[in-house]
Amino acid sequence: GQQVMQIPQYQHVQEGEDFTTYCNSSTTLSNIQWYKQRPGGHPVFLIQLVKSGEVKKQKRLTFQFGEAKKNSSLHITATQTTDVGTYFCAVRHNNDMRFGAGTRLTVKP
Amino acid sequence: NAGVTQTPKFRVLKTGQSMTLLCAQDMNHEYMYWYRQDPGMGLRLIHYSVGEGTTAKGEVPDGYNVSRLKKQNFLLGLESAAPSQTSVYFCASSYLEETQYFGPGTRLLVL
Repeated sequence: GQQVMQIPQYQHVQEGEDFTTYCNSSTTLSNIQWYKQRPGGHPVFLIQLVKSGEVKKQKRLTFQFGEAKKNSSLHITATQTTDVGTYFCAVRHNNDMRFGAGTRLTVKP
Repeated sequence: NAGVTQTPKFRVLKTGQSMTLLCAQDMNHEYMYWYRQDPGMGLRLIHYSVGEGTTAKGEVPDGYNVSRLKKQNFLLGLESAAPSQTSVYFCASSYLEETQYFGPGTRLLVL
């Protein structure tokens, strides 16, 4: 199955700073999904990207899919304490799902 | 509409014991999945099912078996538990290849 590398593993920011996590694949992806998991919780779907170069926004969150469909990023503008959690990318190959290792975001008030 | 539920929430096993984790969904989803989550390793797919009566292996299937006798239920079995199977187990379901909805998880400790 396809593997996806996610960086950084951890990110600690001051409230109000921006945050970005990246996912990279050595192969072309058909689509990529992003999930958020709060501490002690379960993953919750954020968005799915399908098209080359696609950019989607959800309030302060901006999701991008690379032109070659081999990488993706999630950017949070002006982080808030409610953004705390681990952000995962996930890719599907046939019906086999592969998740990145996640980026754990902590926010200092 | 409960979404995806998992039982039990927490379990302690001794090495060699067996157990079954139950996942149930009330969204009429065709696809169901079992993952394990370990620190620093994200979620790894154990087994999945694309419909009632069908199952397939994921990334880390060894030591686990599954059954999908009813569309709404997906069972994960450990025949002989090992300490390496200590983990948090998540079940998920989806309408075909769309959004996955996750259950609250089962924490399993194997001594």
